Amino acid sequence: TQLLEQSPQFLSIQEGENLTVYCNSSSVFSSLQWYRQEPGEGPVLLVTVVTGGEVKKLKRLTFQFGDARKDSSLHITAAQPGDTGLYLCAGEVRNDYKLSFGAGTTVTVRA
Amino acid sequence: DTAVSQTPKYLVTQMGNDKSIKCEQNLGHDTMYWYKQDSKKFLKIMFSYNNKELIINETVPNRFSPKSPDKAHLNLHINSLELGDSAVYFCASSQEASPGELFFGEGSRLTVL
Repeated sequence: TQLLEQSPQFLSIQEGENLTVYCNSSSVFSSLQWYRQEPGEGPVLLVTVVTGGEVKKLKRLTFQFGDARKDSSLHITAAQPGDTGLYLCAGEVRNDYKLSFGAGTTVTVRA
Repeated sequence: DTAVSQTPKYLVTQMGNDKSIKCEQNLGHDTMYWYKQDSKKFLKIMFSYNNKELIINETVPNRFSPKSPDKAHLNLHINSLELGDSAVYFCASSQEASPGELFFGEGSRLTVL
């Protein structure tokens, strides 16, 4: 059983469309991170959220942390082919010193 | 100048062999990790070391033995390789034991035949 469930598993959209990826858990997290991984490379951090209800924006990407700190979402506006990749959420349960990852959402943006 | 570098990038070997993967970070971080990513892209933590001391040891077979000669290096030795060990192994580092941001290497793809 995974600590973090991501949905959908795969997402294929046309350039210019919007998309949302979800990350859910029954556990409370002290912080939650989103990473993007491209083929043949390691994941790279996009954002960290730590406060329940927090919203962070990174250009066309909007990240939200749920009020209860159990879930998060990533919304991409006007997606571009360069947004293609594997999006991973990762959470740290308080004081357990490890980051647990969701299974990822593979996003493909078609030109 | 690569921040977290691991070698080799690709490793193809026969069942039963012993192999090692090396990792070095030049970020001055205190904590290093090994993660395993399976064919479904799921990343699972295996080990973490903080200043050369083992702090996380997940349910990993004894055939896997990490070694940290200093805080900039964390190597992974695998004995008696099995088919199910085929995966991409990622080394990562973070500034402190309470992870914060993880910096990953490019991964080492292990294929056991």
